[in-house]
Amino acid sequence: GQQLNQNPQSMFIQEGEDVSMNCTSSSIFNTWLWYKQDPGEGPVLLIALYKAGELTSNGRLTAQFGITRKDSFLNISASIPSDVGIYFCAVNSGNTGKLIFGQGTTLQVKP
Amino acid sequence: DAGVTQSPTHLIKTRGQQVTLRCSPKSGHDTVSWYQQALGQGPQFIFQYYEEEERQRGNFPDRFSGHQYPNYSSELNVNALLLGDSALYLCASSGGGPTNSPLHFGNGTRLTVT
Repeated sequence: GQQLNQNPQSMFIQEGEDVSMNCTSSSIFNTWLWYKQDPGEGPVLLIALYKAGELTSNGRLTAQFGITRKDSFLNISASIPSDVGIYFCAVNSGNTGKLIFGQGTTLQVKP
Repeated sequence: DAGVTQSPTHLIKTRGQQVTLRCSPKSGHDTVSWYQQALGQGPQFIFQYYEEEERQRGNFPDRFSGHQYPNYSSELNVNALLLGDSALYLCASSGGGPTNSPLHFGNGTRLTVT
């Protein structure tokens, strides 16, 4: 079946550092999404990407929709302790509203 | 404006029992989807409801069934519970029809099967 490969699996960084994570697929998708999940809560949408090559920012977060439509990147600048959590990429499979998620990147920030 | 709400938040059941989980979508949303999230994994799609009908289904057995009511709220039912059904069950909603994304998620129901 369709799978998303998310890297890295986990990161442990110092407060103030920049963070970069990515998500790749063997299939083409027309919508890429990035979610963050805190412990005990559901995923919260961070950024939605709808066009190949698109670069979109949300505060300190920037995400890009790869030009091949098979990958996406999420960058976090000047990390702070509240950035701690699990970051998931997701795609809209077949534009049906069914989301396929990556395995997640666990981010820990040391104050 | 309430977001997606789910009940209960936690549930403990015994193998073989049946369980019903409930979801109210975000105001203005007409489509509800259910996801299962095992520990350390990303959410896995179970099924999607729109206009009170199941529109899509993931790779889950018939023990998993659902319903959507005229007010758009939804239920997830699981029969003959197995230990492997222990997971966080997430409800998500969207507006403007079933093909739309992104989805807005509730905080989930943590189901433990013993």
